[in-house]
Formats: sequence, C-alpha cells, structure tokens
Amino acid sequence: QQQVKQSPQSLIVQKGGISIINCAYENTAFDYFPWYQQFPGKGPALLIAIRPDVSEKKEGRFTISFNKSAKQFSLHIMDSQPGDSATYFCAASMEGQNFVFGPGTRLSVLP
Amino acid sequence: NAGVTQTPKFQVLKTGQSMTLQCAQDMNHEYMSWYRQDPGMGLRLIHYSVGAGITDQGEVPNGYNVSRSTTEDFPLRLLSAAPSQTSVYFCASRATGASNQPQHFGDGTRLSIL
Repeated sequence: QQQVKQSPQSLIVQKGGISIINCAYENTAFDYFPWYQQFPGKGPALLIAIRPDVSEKKEGRFTISFNKSAKQFSLHIMDSQPGDSATYFCAASMEGQNFVFGPGTRLSVLP
Repeated sequence: NAGVTQTPKFQVLKTGQSMTLQCAQDMNHEYMSWYRQDPGMGLRLIHYSVGAGITDQGEVPNGYNVSRSTTEDFPLRLLSAAPSQTSVYFCASRATGASNQPQHFGDGTRLSIL
C-alpha cells in the first residue's frame, strides 16, 4: 500500500514535443506529491509538487495533473528541450511519514 | 549556500572493509535520511532520523549503521562491505512539520565494493 508505481521506465521525445510521465499510488492518506529531477552525477532536486486539493499545477513548461479518484498523477513537460534530459522521480508522502519514491523515468530529448 | 554535503564523492572498497559515508546539512533540518539508488530500483530508504539522538530503520537497513549526535551530521557506516552494497548513496534532509516540506538531496557517494 506504500508503493508508488511509475511509467514509462524510459522515454524518448523529440525537441519541442510533450513528455508525459505517469504515477499511481494506493494509500489515500498521502497528501503531498512532488516530482524530482535528477541529472547525471547529481542528487535529485525538487521540480514541482502538488497537494490533492487541486487537480492541476503549472510552473513554466512543467505541469502536474492530479486525479484523486483514480489515485493517479502525471508530469507533463511542454516544448521539451534537450536540457530536460534527466531522470524523473515521482513521490508521495504524508505528515510524519517518510517519502515513497517511484522507480524513476529516464527522459531523453533528441535535438 | 551549501545545503546537503556528502563526502567522499567516490570510493572503492574491498569486501569486508568498513567505512563511513559523511553527510552534513546547514539548513537546521530535523529530519535526515539515507537512500541507496540502484538501476531500476529508484530510491530506497536505508535509515532515517527525526532529530539528534533519534534514528530508525528504513526499507533496506541491513549492513548499515547510523548515528545522529548533532542536528547537522548524519553519518552512514558500512560495517563489513559486501559487493551487494555497490550503489550510489544519497543523503537528504527536510524540515519537519507539515508533509509538504521538500527533501533536499546531496550529490551522492558512488561506492564500489570489489
């Protein structure tokens, strides 16, 4: 019940295209859903996050869509750029509990 | 503007050797944690601490020890290194309280056990 599933495992997108990564969770007590971006040789860094009381959050080219009834959330990267090539992790947490991370998606944006 | 600092960045050990991975944060965060990252496995929690003097086990604690004598430092000890512990290790910290406190990660220690 603590698991967060993430797909796809890897994704190749052309420059200017839309990248979409999906995550699903089981525990309805989770109340914070962040996405982390990790470049090679670096630690994960917070990209964008959402609470379940909203269905969408947008920051620049990055958007989280949240479907509470389906227990799913997704990251959309609009106008994908080669500099977006990285590994992306979704995560979920609740107050007083550890973060649970998805297995990651390796995104490659071709020039 | 250091954030979370991990040392060393790279290390090669022989089976059976011991070592300590260092982690320090300068954000006065109460919560600190250690993860290992393996291909296709994501980030798996090894040990965590909610404050000085308090530690607890995560998902994969076997073969690792931690201590938390100060708010700033959270070292991870490998008692007798095994090849299965070859991995990239990340330390993270965050403020406690509401769940929407982001984790801040260090840049990792890449550990190879021969």
